[in-house]
Amino acid sequence: NAGVTQTPKFQVLKTGQSMTLQCAQDMNHNSMYWYRQDPGMGLRLIYYSASEGTTDKGEVPNGYNVSRLNKREFSLRLESAAPSQTSVYFCASRRVLAGGEDEQFFGPGTRLTVL
Amino acid sequence: GENVEQHPSTLSVQEGDSAVIKCTYSDSASNYFPWYKQELGKRPQLIIDIRSNVGEKKDQRIAVTLNKTAKHFSLHITETQPEDSAVYFCAASDPYSGGSNYKLTFGKGTLLTVNP
Repeated sequence: NAGVTQTPKFQVLKTGQSMTLQCAQDMNHNSMYWYRQDPGMGLRLIYYSASEGTTDKGEVPNGYNVSRLNKREFSLRLESAAPSQTSVYFCASRRVLAGGEDEQFFGPGTRLTVL
Repeated sequence: GENVEQHPSTLSVQEGDSAVIKCTYSDSASNYFPWYKQELGKRPQLIIDIRSNVGEKKDQRIAVTLNKTAKHFSLHITETQPEDSAVYFCAASDPYSGGSNYKLTFGKGTLLTVNP
């Protein structure tokens, strides 16, 4: 049971390049999320997917697209990277138990630098 | 949407002292308030949470209190240890995202340093 995995761990892009961040979870969770973390800004939601086949915008969606490929995988795409997208990106999935326990499990993060 | 303010942004304490981090939220309909801990270079992890029908919850050295009237909640860590050093984030559930459309709004974080 690997939990939430993300690839790559590190990436350097030039302005205007595109790339896709991959995320997968093996916990059979329905909901998945993409956040970005910037110094002093906390975790800000980019996009989320409540269930397979659905996606919705979060707080900071501009410049990003997502795909919920299946229940396990949720990818984040930068079509034309900008320096303002330099950040650490976290993927998360949500577990809800009948007893009320509710937790988002985070992946290890992807550190992206756009030059 | 929901707005969460967190204070202080940095907190330094001596080992064995208590630490308190406070958060306020804007929407009185929010009903779930988790706290996440993020060690340097690691991923955030849930440490404790509280729902709006409870005023206080404890788990060993950590506790969370909630004042719904004032719309604020706090994390209390007693007998702090060096391994408590980390960034702590509070969060509030978006009250308009019930069920599977569940979202969290996070505070900006508090860097806690416990000095030996």
